[in-house]
This record gives sequence, C-alpha cells and structure tokens, in this order.
Amino acid sequence: ETGVTQSPTHLIKTRGQQVTLRCSSQSGHNTVSWYQQALGQGPQFIFQYYREEENGRGNFPPRFSGLQFPNYSSELNVNALELDDSALYLCASSLGLAGGPEAGELFFGEGSRLTVL
Amino acid sequence: GDSVTQMEGPVTLSEEAFLTINCTYTATGYPSLFWYVQYPGEGLQLLLKATKADDKGSNKGFEATYRKETTSFHLEKGSVQVSDSAVYFCALSAGRRALTFGSGTRLQVQP
Repeated sequence: ETGVTQSPTHLIKTRGQQVTLRCSSQSGHNTVSWYQQALGQGPQFIFQYYREEENGRGNFPPRFSGLQFPNYSSELNVNALELDDSALYLCASSLGLAGGPEAGELFFGEGSRLTVL
Repeated sequence: GDSVTQMEGPVTLSEEAFLTINCTYTATGYPSLFWYVQYPGEGLQLLLKATKADDKGSNKGFEATYRKETTSFHLEKGSVQVSDSAVYFCALSAGRRALTFGSGTRLQVQP
C-alpha cells in the first residue's frame, strides 16, 4: 500500500501571496489532518477533515483553509502569507476520527517546507 | 488546555548507553499517550503508545509507562544504537481532540 504523499516538498513565497499544499492519504484512510511544524518545535494541529468536512480546528486564523476530496486526498490553502507562516506543513491520514478506536494512529507524510520571504 | 513538556535536547550518548527522555503532560480527562520519532529526511512515525494508566507501550527496544499519578510518560531504552539517532516527540490525544505534541528531543548516538 502507498503511504502519505505530499507536494510540493519545498516552496518559496513572498509575503501576501497565497499557497496550496496537497496531500494524498494512505490507501483506505478517510481522515486527513494537517499540522504546522515551526523550526525546532513540535507539530501544531491546524485542522482535520473527515469524509470531506472539517471536523476539528486548532488555533489558526481563517486564512488557513482546506478541502478534502471524494478520494480522501486533501489540500491546505493559506492566504495572505505572513513571515511566521514559514514552517514544515505535515499531512497525516488515519482511519476514523481522533477519539475513535484508532485514535492517534496517524501516518504522516514527509511534509512541505514553506519559506515566506 | 492540553500540553506536553519534554526534556530539551540534544541528548548525546555513546552506543549501548541507557536512554531516558522525560515527558510530562497536562490534559483534561484521560488521554492516550504516544511517542513519535522523526528520522532524518523522513516523516513522523508512531513509535509506541499507551491508552490507560499503568499501560506500558513498547517497540524496537523502547518502552514507556503511562504514570497517571505523576502525569508522565518517559521514554527509555536499555542500549541505544547509532540508528536510533532521531528527534523524538511525546504526544497526547484526549477525547476527540487532535494530537498535542511536545517540542521534541533530538537524540544523537555516537559510535
């Protein structure tokens, strides 16, 4: 089975621009979560999608938005980029929502490293 | 809110040394606890987990015991190898809330 894949792996944007990051979930997984990992820090939860609907959101402003598609792949969109948005963005897939029988069994991609200049 | 505190790194050990990475947590309710590992150039991987008090999670020679009385989940390994060099993250999940991670501890094992 294929694992979680993310694209692009690296990208550079300037302040004020918009970015879209993509994630293909592991085969059979219906839940996708996105995390932001600043340099030297642990991942911070952005939001989670389950069956194409947002189901849980961390402390991130509305300019962070997402989508999940019928094949369970997902996009993370960030508008009006700020310098502090520079980070590694991690996608994780799982079967079922946090709190369910497989709670916490997340499978992570290698991430998309965003640099905002 | 939920939080995880783990010892700062880097931790530098010689091969075959004993490893302990401390982790304490604050959470509402009864969280599940996890250790994730991030090898250089790779994504985060689940190393082990424990879902209730006094449970011991174990994998690849690593162990951690869920201690409710001390709100701790320390990671241990009796004899580390160079291949264990990585960043280790302690994390928790409480109720239907997503994972909360600590800031990570870098382990460097020297031959």
